[in-house]
Amino acid sequence: GENVEQHPSTLSVQEGDSAVIKCTYSDSASNYFPWYKQELGKRPQLIIDIRSNVGEKKDQRIAVTLNKTAKHFSLHITETQPEDSAVYFCAASSVTTGYALNFGKGTSLLVTP
Amino acid sequence: NAGVMQNPRHLVRRRGQEARLRCSPMKGHSHVYWYRQLPEEGLKFMVYLQKENIIDESGMPKERFSAEFPKEGPSILRIQQVVRGDSAAYFCASSPSNRLNTGELFFGEGSRLTVL
Repeated sequence: GENVEQHPSTLSVQEGDSAVIKCTYSDSASNYFPWYKQELGKRPQLIIDIRSNVGEKKDQRIAVTLNKTAKHFSLHITETQPEDSAVYFCAASSVTTGYALNFGKGTSLLVTP
Repeated sequence: NAGVMQNPRHLVRRRGQEARLRCSPMKGHSHVYWYRQLPEEGLKFMVYLQKENIIDESGMPKERFSAEFPKEGPSILRIQQVVRGDSAAYFCASSPSNRLNTGELFFGEGSRLTVL
């Protein structure tokens, strides 16, 4: 089955700096790669996603890049703010598995003022 | 349109008791997924169901755990003879039928099980 690795497990940045989180996946059939943000005690919420026919996608301060050949994808957050502090999860799935997402272990991001 | 509804939000059980967690998917969604999240860890896939069918249960422990999604009513995750290691947050997510499926899963707020 799919195996998703995520790094780093913790990340601390100063407000205004950029944050980058990286993930790799193993199943070449995976074609959908979402990123979820989970605040303490809350449910995971989708912040951005990318499909295998696209190399990069941007939404305001967040962007995701995908390298299908290398089987890795990354989340980039620019101009970080304290409210960006949360746990971020990458995931991978394919329509052949009914979109059952396989998640990485998460990155705890702390943005200090 | 109400989101994914899970109940109870918090459940306390003693070792050996049964836990039943319920999930009502978003209106119009026919696919349900259950995930388990241990403290300080990620989301582990447990089971994927459609109405009256278990599609993928590769993440379910072989014993004590079962899930169903009946024709009428919510999906239920059932844990028999709970042990302390079952203490976790159990998240349910839903998505629409394949024709409308963008891939996004919509998560409920989770049910937090504590086994004493």
